Amino acid sequence: GAVVSQHPSRVICKSGTSVKIECRSLDFQATTMFWYRQFPKQSLMLMATSNEGSKATYEQGVEKDKFLINHASLTLSTLTVTSAHPEDSSFYICSASHREHGGNTIYFGEGSWLTVV
Amino acid sequence: GIQVEQSPPDLILQEGANSTLRCNFSDSVNNLQWFHQNPWGQLINLFYIPSGTKQNGRLSATTVATERYSLLYISSSQTTDSGVYFCAVVRAAAGNKLTFGGGTRVLVKP
Repeated sequence: GAVVSQHPSRVICKSGTSVKIECRSLDFQATTMFWYRQFPKQSLMLMATSNEGSKATYEQGVEKDKFLINHASLTLSTLTVTSAHPEDSSFYICSASHREHGGNTIYFGEGSWLTVV
Repeated sequence: GIQVEQSPPDLILQEGANSTLRCNFSDSVNNLQWFHQNPWGQLINLFYIPSGTKQNGRLSATTVATERYSLLYISSSQTTDSGVYFCAVVRAAAGNKLTFGGGTRVLVKP
């Protein structure tokens, strides 16, 4: 099946610094990628939709200046958490859509655990 | 926006037991997927099933789109089935934006 890879899987950073998370589709081209955030024991919440070659579309309540998203190519999207604070600590996971059998199946990366200390 | 509700929220099973997880959604959907999230956080795509019935080994799923619900069946459960099961839908005309249900946390005891 389609593979989506995320890196790093775990990262610890100091308050006030920025951290970048990469999401790659390894064996298919993804014109659209999605970034989600998941707090412990909660469901996934969509943060933004990342479109190749254009600005990301952010969900209501998500600060676009804090969570910078870049979709530089058809196989790579990055999420940069700027000026990170402890409340940004969370599990971040990306997904990419892949046309299959006339429909759209969405595959997820392995996720990235961010801890801000 | 579309509402996605899963039940039960928690499920404890004895190994070998069968179970049914339910997903109700409030609007027409173009896509419905079931995922299993393992203890390390990884989401595994189980089924893409906007309608009809599919089976994959001990798992099967049925979606009745006209009645806006989907069911996931786990038969002869194993301890490796433990984790959180999510139902997620794409509302018609919403692109590929998945909306997730709250999940069902499953624990299979040996």
